[in-house]
Amino acid sequence: GNSVTQMEGPVTLSEEAFLTINCTYTATGYPSLFWYVQYPGEGLQLLLKATKADDKGSNKGFEATYRKETTSFHLEKGSVQVSDSAVYFCALYIGFQKLVFGTGTRLLVSP
Amino acid sequence: EAGVTQSPTHLIKTRGQQATLRCSPISGHTSVYWYQQALGLGLQFLLWYDEGEERNRGNFPPRFSGRQFPNYSSELNVNALELEDSALYLCASSLAFDGQGASEKLFFGSGTQLSVL
Repeated sequence: GNSVTQMEGPVTLSEEAFLTINCTYTATGYPSLFWYVQYPGEGLQLLLKATKADDKGSNKGFEATYRKETTSFHLEKGSVQVSDSAVYFCALYIGFQKLVFGTGTRLLVSP
Repeated sequence: EAGVTQSPTHLIKTRGQQATLRCSPISGHTSVYWYQQALGLGLQFLLWYDEGEERNRGNFPPRFSGRQFPNYSSELNVNALELEDSALYLCASSLAFDGQGASEKLFFGSGTQLSVL
Protein backbone atom coordinates (compact mmCIF):
# COMPACT_ATOMS: atom_id res chain seq x y z
CA GLY A 1 0.00 0.00 0.00
CA ASN A 2 0.87 3.65 0.09
CA SER A 3 2.51 4.97 3.21
CA VAL A 4 4.90 7.57 4.56
CA THR A 5 7.34 7.07 7.39
CA GLN A 6 8.90 10.01 9.21
CA MET A 7 11.47 10.13 11.95
CA GLU A 8 9.98 10.45 15.39
CA GLY A 9 10.35 13.70 17.23
CA PRO A 10 10.77 15.91 18.87
CA VAL A 11 13.87 17.15 17.14
CA THR A 12 15.54 19.67 19.42
CA LEU A 13 18.13 22.04 17.95
CA SER A 14 19.86 25.27 18.79
CA GLU A 15 19.43 28.27 16.55
CA GLU A 16 21.62 28.17 13.42
CA ALA A 17 22.04 24.39 13.60
CA PHE A 18 21.61 22.17 10.55
CA LEU A 19 18.31 20.36 10.25
CA THR A 20 17.44 17.04 8.67
CA ILE A 21 14.06 15.38 9.03
CA ASN A 22 13.95 11.99 7.37
CA CYS A 23 11.04 10.83 5.26
CA THR A 24 10.69 7.63 3.29
CA TYR A 25 7.71 6.42 1.36
CA THR A 26 6.09 3.36 -0.14
CA ALA A 27 3.90 3.88 -3.17
CA THR A 28 2.76 2.30 -6.37
CA GLY A 29 3.68 4.34 -9.37
CA TYR A 30 5.37 7.72 -9.14
CA PRO A 31 3.70 9.94 -6.58
CA SER A 32 4.23 13.63 -6.02
CA LEU A 33 5.83 14.38 -2.66
CA PHE A 34 5.21 17.22 -0.25
CA TRP A 35 6.29 18.75 3.01
CA TYR A 36 3.66 20.56 5.03
CA VAL A 37 4.30 22.64 8.15
CA GLN A 38 1.95 23.29 11.06
CA TYR A 39 2.88 26.26 13.23
CA PRO A 40 1.38 26.38 16.73
CA GLY A 41 -2.31 27.20 16.61
CA GLU A 42 -2.44 27.26 12.83
CA GLY A 43 -3.53 24.95 10.05
CA LEU A 44 -1.15 23.03 7.82
CA GLN A 45 0.61 24.97 5.12
CA LEU A 46 2.35 23.63 2.08
CA LEU A 47 6.10 24.15 2.53
CA LEU A 48 7.50 22.61 -0.64
CA LYS A 49 6.86 19.92 -3.21
CA ALA A 50 8.49 17.76 -5.86
CA THR A 51 6.61 16.04 -8.62
CA LYS A 52 9.19 13.71 -10.15
CA ALA A 53 12.44 11.91 -9.42
CA ASP A 54 15.47 14.13 -8.81
CA ASP A 55 13.29 17.22 -8.45
CA LYS A 56 14.31 19.50 -5.61
CA GLY A 57 11.64 21.46 -3.80
CA SER A 58 12.69 24.54 -1.88
CA ASN A 59 11.06 27.31 0.14
CA LYS A 60 12.04 29.56 3.07
CA GLY A 61 15.52 28.02 3.18
CA PHE A 62 14.16 24.47 3.37
CA GLU A 63 15.00 21.92 0.70
CA ALA A 64 14.05 18.35 -0.13
CA THR A 65 15.09 16.16 -3.06
CA TYR A 66 12.89 13.42 -4.51
CA ARG A 67 15.10 10.32 -4.43
CA LYS A 68 13.45 7.47 -6.30
CA GLU A 69 16.30 5.03 -5.72
CA THR A 70 16.04 5.35 -1.94
CA THR A 71 12.30 6.27 -1.90
CA SER A 72 13.13 9.24 0.28
CA PHE A 73 12.29 12.93 0.53
CA HIS A 74 14.34 14.22 3.44
CA LEU A 75 13.80 17.80 4.58
CA GLU A 76 16.89 19.93 5.22
CA LYS A 77 17.73 23.44 6.28
CA GLY A 78 21.21 24.83 6.72
CA SER A 79 20.51 27.16 9.64
CA VAL A 80 17.30 26.91 11.64
CA GLN A 81 15.65 29.76 13.47
CA VAL A 82 13.42 29.81 16.54
CA SER A 83 10.53 30.72 14.23
CA ASP A 84 10.96 27.36 12.47
CA SER A 85 9.63 25.57 15.54
CA ALA A 86 6.61 23.66 14.27
CA VAL A 87 5.39 20.21 13.28
CA TYR A 88 6.51 19.05 9.84
CA PHE A 89 4.53 16.50 7.83
CA CYS A 90 5.78 14.56 4.84
CA ALA A 91 3.06 13.51 2.40
CA LEU A 92 2.56 11.82 -0.93
CA TYR A 93 -0.19 12.24 -3.48
CA ILE A 94 -1.69 9.02 -4.78
CA GLY A 95 -4.28 10.46 -7.08
CA PHE A 96 -7.85 11.61 -7.02
CA GLN A 97 -7.16 14.35 -4.50
CA LYS A 98 -5.95 11.97 -1.80
CA LEU A 99 -2.87 12.83 0.21
CA VAL A 100 -1.18 10.26 2.48
CA PHE A 101 0.59 11.90 5.40
CA GLY A 102 3.30 10.78 7.78
CA THR A 103 2.85 11.09 11.52
CA GLY A 104 4.59 14.45 11.72
CA THR A 105 7.87 15.48 13.34
CA ARG A 106 7.95 18.22 15.93
CA LEU A 107 10.90 20.60 15.67
CA LEU A 108 11.90 22.69 18.67
CA VAL A 109 14.53 25.37 18.13
CA SER A 110 16.00 27.13 21.13
CA PRO A 111 17.81 30.50 21.07
CA GLU B 1 -8.78 37.15 2.60
CA ALA B 2 -10.30 34.82 5.18
CA GLY B 3 -8.77 31.38 5.42
CA VAL B 4 -10.51 28.08 6.03
CA THR B 5 -12.59 28.39 9.17
CA GLN B 6 -13.75 25.55 11.34
CA SER B 7 -16.15 25.40 14.24
CA PRO B 8 -16.26 24.65 17.02
CA THR B 9 -12.64 24.80 18.08
CA HIS B 10 -13.21 22.22 20.76
CA LEU B 11 -16.02 19.70 21.17
CA ILE B 12 -16.57 17.34 24.07
CA LYS B 13 -18.98 14.45 23.70
CA THR B 14 -19.69 11.19 25.42
CA ARG B 15 -19.56 7.76 23.88
CA GLY B 16 -22.58 6.98 21.72
CA GLN B 17 -23.45 10.61 21.00
CA GLN B 18 -23.26 12.33 17.65
CA ALA B 19 -20.83 15.10 16.74
CA THR B 20 -21.22 17.71 14.01
CA LEU B 21 -18.21 19.65 12.81
CA ARG B 22 -18.40 22.57 10.41
CA CYS B 23 -16.08 24.02 7.82
CA SER B 24 -16.17 27.13 5.66
CA PRO B 25 -13.78 27.07 2.72
CA ILE B 26 -11.83 29.96 1.30
CA SER B 27 -13.99 32.09 -0.94
CA GLY B 28 -13.87 30.71 -4.48
CA HIS B 29 -12.87 27.23 -3.41
CA THR B 30 -15.33 24.50 -4.31
CA SER B 31 -13.55 21.42 -2.95
CA VAL B 32 -13.55 20.57 0.73
CA TYR B 33 -11.55 17.81 2.40
CA TRP B 34 -11.73 16.29 5.85
CA TYR B 35 -8.78 14.68 7.62
CA GLN B 36 -8.47 13.05 11.02
CA GLN B 37 -5.31 13.63 13.05
CA ALA B 38 -5.30 11.14 15.90
CA LEU B 39 -2.59 11.15 18.53
CA GLY B 40 0.44 9.25 17.29
CA LEU B 41 -0.95 8.84 13.80
CA GLY B 42 -0.52 10.89 10.69
CA LEU B 43 -3.34 12.71 9.07
CA GLN B 44 -5.83 10.21 7.75
CA PHE B 45 -7.91 11.16 4.74
CA LEU B 46 -11.62 11.03 5.51
CA LEU B 47 -13.69 12.65 2.78
CA TRP B 48 -13.52 14.85 -0.27
CA TYR B 49 -16.47 16.92 -1.48
CA ASP B 50 -16.58 18.87 -4.70
CA GLU B 51 -19.55 20.78 -6.07
CA GLY B 52 -21.81 19.22 -3.48
CA GLU B 53 -20.89 15.64 -4.29
CA GLU B 54 -18.80 13.15 -2.34
CA ARG B 55 -15.88 12.36 -4.66
CA ASN B 56 -13.66 10.18 -2.55
CA ARG B 57 -13.71 8.51 0.82
CA GLY B 58 -11.01 7.18 3.10
CA ASN B 59 -11.01 3.95 5.03
CA PHE B 60 -13.48 4.95 7.74
CA PRO B 61 -16.76 3.32 8.82
CA PRO B 62 -20.11 4.62 7.54
CA ARG B 63 -20.83 6.40 10.83
CA PHE B 64 -18.45 9.06 9.49
CA SER B 65 -20.45 11.04 6.98
CA GLY B 66 -20.76 14.54 5.72
CA ARG B 67 -22.20 16.85 3.19
CA GLN B 68 -21.40 19.96 1.25
CA PHE B 69 -23.87 22.79 0.98
CA PRO B 70 -24.61 25.00 -2.06
CA ASN B 71 -22.34 27.70 -0.60
CA TYR B 72 -19.55 25.05 -0.51
CA SER B 73 -19.37 24.92 3.26
CA SER B 74 -19.33 21.46 4.71
CA GLU B 75 -20.34 19.42 7.72
CA LEU B 76 -18.73 16.29 9.08
CA ASN B 77 -20.98 14.09 11.16
CA VAL B 78 -19.76 11.32 13.38
CA ASN B 79 -22.46 9.05 14.76
CA ALA B 80 -22.29 6.61 17.64
CA LEU B 81 -19.08 8.15 18.92
CA GLU B 82 -16.36 5.87 20.18
CA LEU B 83 -13.44 6.73 22.44
CA GLU B 84 -10.99 6.27 19.58
CA ASP B 85 -12.74 8.99 17.59
CA SER B 86 -11.01 11.50 19.84
CA ALA B 87 -8.79 13.45 17.48
CA LEU B 88 -8.15 16.72 15.74
CA TYR B 89 -10.32 16.98 12.65
CA LEU B 90 -8.88 19.18 9.95
CA CYS B 91 -10.75 20.65 7.05
CA ALA B 92 -9.04 21.86 3.90
CA SER B 93 -10.26 23.52 0.75
CA SER B 94 -8.99 24.00 -2.76
CA LEU B 95 -10.05 25.23 -6.14
CA ALA B 96 -12.02 22.84 -8.31
CA PHE B 97 -10.31 19.61 -9.26
CA ASP B 98 -9.27 19.93 -12.88
CA GLY B 99 -8.81 16.23 -13.46
CA GLN B 100 -5.06 16.21 -13.32
CA GLY B 101 -2.17 17.12 -11.13
CA ALA B 102 -1.65 16.92 -7.40
CA SER B 103 -3.72 18.68 -4.79
CA GLU B 104 -0.86 20.85 -3.63
CA LYS B 105 -3.15 23.83 -3.42
CA LEU B 106 -4.86 22.59 -0.28
CA PHE B 107 -5.40 25.21 2.40
CA PHE B 108 -6.06 23.87 5.87
CA GLY B 109 -8.04 25.21 8.79
CA SER B 110 -6.87 25.05 12.39
CA GLY B 111 -9.12 22.11 13.18
CA THR B 112 -11.73 20.98 15.65
CA GLN B 113 -10.45 19.05 18.65
CA LEU B 114 -13.02 16.35 19.38
CA SER B 115 -12.81 14.63 22.75
CA VAL B 116 -14.98 11.61 23.43
CA LEU B 117 -15.36 10.71 27.09
